[in-house]
Amino acid sequence: DTGVSQDPRHKITKRGQNVTFRCDPISEHNRLYWYRQTLGQGPEFLTYFQNEAQLEKSRLLSDRFSAERPKGSFSTLEIQRTEQGDSAMYLCASSFGQGEGNEQFFGPGTRLTVL
Amino acid sequence: SQELEQSPQSLIVQEGKNLTINCTSSKTLYGLYWYKQKYGEGLIFLMMLQKGGEEKSHEKITAKLDEKKQQSSLHITASQPSHVGIYLCGADLGNQFYFGTGTSLTVIP
Repeated sequence: DTGVSQDPRHKITKRGQNVTFRCDPISEHNRLYWYRQTLGQGPEFLTYFQNEAQLEKSRLLSDRFSAERPKGSFSTLEIQRTEQGDSAMYLCASSFGQGEGNEQFFGPGTRLTVL
Repeated sequence: SQELEQSPQSLIVQEGKNLTINCTSSKTLYGLYWYKQKYGEGLIFLMMLQKGGEEKSHEKITAKLDEKKQQSSLHITASQPSHVGIYLCGADLGNQFYFGTGTSLTVIP
């Protein structure tokens, strides 16, 4: 399977714990995106990388959130001191592009539940 | 504030009927994307529109982008149970990518 993969698919944690999610993009894609989606809403942009550089961060991304893409391939999204409001589906997408207008391919998502 | 407004929020149609979903932005869209999502799953790319007045079709789904590049519509002809899902429009607006809130489609056999 050469699509975008995410791990884990589901994560249940207690409030205050740290969690880390991983995204493996399609191998030749230089752009990688993270989104958060809550029930009944469209995905909300969190951050995006072009190669290893983090080019944009949403104001939704509080200090407790950090994302990395150290070698320009896979990416991790860490949430520190989780809160119940962090419960959501976290989606990763990748694309290949050097300008505007490039199709994003999405992974299956990681569903986070904070108790 | 919602960058992309989608309407309607939900649709229930009889199998075989046609339907249209709209997506509107207050800003010029540099790229407008339509995706389909099944509950609890990732998004599946349907179509991308970039030029004003552009229209694309795939199987029974047609998407259009208006000349001003601020409004798009997705039209499904002769709906089928396989069309059930949530339809989302998405767009490049500067360095961030925004999605509409989605339209939930139910097709009654």
